[in-house]
Amino acid sequence: AQSVTQPDIHITVSEGASLELRCNYSYGATPYLFWYVQSPGQGLQLLLKYFSGDTLVQGIKGFEAEFKRSQSSFNLRKPSVHWSDAAEYFCAVASGDSSASKIIFGSGTRLSIRP
Amino acid sequence: GAVVSQHPSRVICKSGTSVKIECRSLDFQATTMFWYRQFPKKSLMLMATSNEGSKATYEQGVEKDKFLINHASLTLSTLTVTSAHPEDSSFYICSASPSGIGETQYFGPGTRLLVL
Repeated sequence: AQSVTQPDIHITVSEGASLELRCNYSYGATPYLFWYVQSPGQGLQLLLKYFSGDTLVQGIKGFEAEFKRSQSSFNLRKPSVHWSDAAEYFCAVASGDSSASKIIFGSGTRLSIRP
Repeated sequence: GAVVSQHPSRVICKSGTSVKIECRSLDFQATTMFWYRQFPKKSLMLMATSNEGSKATYEQGVEKDKFLINHASLTLSTLTVTSAHPEDSSFYICSASPSGIGETQYFGPGTRLLVL
């Protein structure tokens, strides 16, 4: 069965510093990978997704993620964080790319920004 | 992008009553919608897959008689929490995507349920 692991529960970085959030997945076939962001009490917003092709994926708000099959990883990065980036970040994997494909979420990483 | 709405955004009810939560795709049709539950400071747990015109598919451990799902049209799925108890208090989120391949799933803003 597919699963997602986010090893970091909480990360604090200084504003303007670079960020990397880790994500490892377990899936037998080609995974469909996502990063979502959730602000307190809000729904989820898609940052980026990887279905196929270029393993470096660009997303919204200056985020990018790199799919590394050999490491079963899909880490999220941003070169310079802003205070508004403080939120909960979820990595997720789907079994397919159809509208009927279930998405399984990691446990999330809470990002705090130090002024 | 596509929009998914949920109603109500928050609800407080007494123990033993039933609560209905609506999930609507506002500008697209969705043959499949998903219902998630999120505990405070926890991840989203997939509860069930809602299929238009047929029975929902529940994840292991989710009580189908407790959480009734009806997907009566291509734009509406409802989740009814029956005989709610305090332990059912949670944040419920739905998602949907336009039918097809390669489509992104869009998430609703969530419904916070508090059972007293």
